[in-house]
Amino acid sequence: AQKVTQAQTEISVVEKEDVTLDCVYETRDTTYYLFWYKQPPSGELVFLIRRNSFDEQNEISGRYSWNFQKSTSSFNFTITASQVVDSAVYFCALSGPGYSTLTFGKGTMLLVSP
Amino acid sequence: GAVVSQHPSRVICKSGTSVKIECRSLDFQATTMFWYRQFPKKSLMLMATSNEGSKATYEQGVEKDKFLINHASLTLSTLTVTSAHPEDSSFYICSARKDSSTDTQYFGPGTRLTVL
Repeated sequence: AQKVTQAQTEISVVEKEDVTLDCVYETRDTTYYLFWYKQPPSGELVFLIRRNSFDEQNEISGRYSWNFQKSTSSFNFTITASQVVDSAVYFCALSGPGYSTLTFGKGTMLLVSP
Repeated sequence: GAVVSQHPSRVICKSGTSVKIECRSLDFQATTMFWYRQFPKKSLMLMATSNEGSKATYEQGVEKDKFLINHASLTLSTLTVTSAHPEDSSFYICSARKDSSTDTQYFGPGTRLTVL
C-alpha cells in the first residue's frame, strides 16, 4: 500500500522568509513517481513537479527547489524568499508504475503574510 | 501545454435533481481521466478512473449508480450526480493523463456543487 504523509498541516511565514514543506512517502514499488501540486484559493490544482524514483537529482526552478532522498523516503519542497502569492495548499502525491492512481498527502496550507 | 477545463465551475441545484459536470482536455488527448471529490480543508479523494471507450473503475465506497461517468472521447469525460442530495455537496475535480508514457495528471479547475 502507498502512503504519503505531510506532517505540517499549516505553516505561516512572513514574506521573504524561506519555507520548507515536508513530504514522506511509503511504497513497496521499486519504480514510482512523486509529485507536488499547488492549490490556490481558486481551487485548481497546479502541477509543480514530477520526479521519478530512479532520479535523485535535486531540482531548482526559480524560487522553488525540491530535495528527493530515497534513503529517508522524503521529497521536500522549499520556497525561497516566499511571496504572498505563494499562499496556497500544497499537496505531495505518489504513484506507482504504469497506469496507477495518485495517492495524495493531506496537504500543507501555507500562509504568507506581507 | 496541458490544459484541462471543467464546466460548470459552480452549480446549485435542488435535492432530487441530476447534475452533469464536464471535463475536457483542451490541448491533448487523454486516454485516462480521473474524478476526485474534495471536502473543505481536506485532501482529494479519488472517486473513479475513466478510460476512453470503456466503463469507469470506481473506488471502494463510491456508488456507481449515483455517480455516472462517461468517457465518450479522448477529450471529454462527464460525471453525472444523479438524484443529488445535500450530502453530495462538494468540490469535484477532474484530471487527465496525457498518455501511457507519463503518470502526470493535469487537473481541471474544479466544480463546486451545492445541493439545497
